[in-house]
Parts: sequence; structure tokens; C-alpha cells
Amino acid sequence: LAKTTQPISMDSYEGQEVNITCSHNNIATNDYITWYQQFPSQGPRFIIQGYKTKVTNEVASLFIPADRKSSTLSLPRVSLSDTAVYYCLVGDNNNDMRFGAGTRLTVKP
Amino acid sequence: EAGVAQSPRYKIIEKRQSVAFWCNPISGHATLYWYQQILGQGPKLLIQFQNNGVVDDSQLPKDRFSAERLKGVDSTLKIQPAKLEDSAVYLCASSLADRGLHFGPGTRLTVT
Repeated sequence: LAKTTQPISMDSYEGQEVNITCSHNNIATNDYITWYQQFPSQGPRFIIQGYKTKVTNEVASLFIPADRKSSTLSLPRVSLSDTAVYYCLVGDNNNDMRFGAGTRLTVKP
Repeated sequence: EAGVAQSPRYKIIEKRQSVAFWCNPISGHATLYWYQQILGQGPKLLIQFQNNGVVDDSQLPKDRFSAERLKGVDSTLKIQPAKLEDSAVYLCASSLADRGLHFGPGTRLTVT
């Protein structure tokens, strides 16, 4: 079973900021939090990874509160091409990488 | 760097037949994973290798599925005999320590 819980779907409009929250109440001390993006007919693609506080790269930001029981993926100014399924995973050193159902994000014009 | 390679990209077989999928991970990646993704669902981890040893195969249906990574590089996943419910995309991924998984394009299997 996946160790995370996410909303099944979200809708947004072009240019908006999108925040997708993931719950991982039983996260272990050594677990990292990793987010992936998947387009139809493609394998998942790594977006961002973090352990605590905030991580930012050229694509997204990841916010992790002090208790680490949840995390939020933030996508700034989304475009139609950001329409995809987003997965949140937790694991230690890339072990036990189990995907849940993910969040299907639809960006509308 | 070259990505994860998988072949074939598509395969159609009849139930009770056998099929094999091949994966070549990114050079230097010690960890290799096989996932099964049924349409509309998230990828399901089947097996994880560290070099040529199995780390986790708890979700591999061992009565019909087998996988090997004999030299710690490329890997083969086999289904024998196939069932209708095995129709899915089979994804191979590889990783270096804590830097995320890199996925191949997948093999789409249709069992008729």
C-alpha cells in the first residue's frame, strides 16, 4: 500500500499558482519526500525532492512543515502543458518507492 | 546521459502465452525497479534490485512473474503464463542513491 494520501483531482487555470498537498502521517525519520509528474503514455518524471523546510528548483517548490506529516508541491504560474498526474512518494534512499493514485491536475485556458 | 532503455515498446500476446521485457538502466545506477501500471492507476512496484540482488519483491506475483539482473546491469522481467489482467504498461526505472528515480518509456502489454 502507498504511504501517502493526495487529492484525486484538481482543476486550475493558466497563470495560476497550484498547490498540491500530500499527507504522510507515518513518515519515518530517514524518509525523503519526492514528487513525480506523469504525462499520458510516458513514465513518471522526477520533479523535486526534500527532507524538511523548503526546497525550490526551476520547476517547483516543495514545502515541508516541521512535523513532516505532510508536504505541499507548489507549481507557479501553470500552463496547459502542466496538465498531468502528480505523485508524492516517501522513502529512505529510494527504497520502498510505492506510488499511490496520484493527483490528476487539469489546467484550463 | 542516455536514459533508461526498454524493449519492446509494445507487445500483444494471447492468454497463457509467455512474454519477456528487457531494461537497460542508466550507466552507473545500482538500483533498478520494475513497475506495473494498469490504465488509470499509479505504478505498482513489482521488484527492486540493488546491483544483482533483490531488495524487495513482496508485490511480485511469483507464481507467474520472474525477474533477473544477473550482471547487475540490464534486467529481464518475464510473465509465464500471461493472464488477461496482466494487460498494463511495464515500467523500468533506475536510481543513484537519493537522487530520484529515472523511468524508461515503458512496454505496453496487451493480453487477448
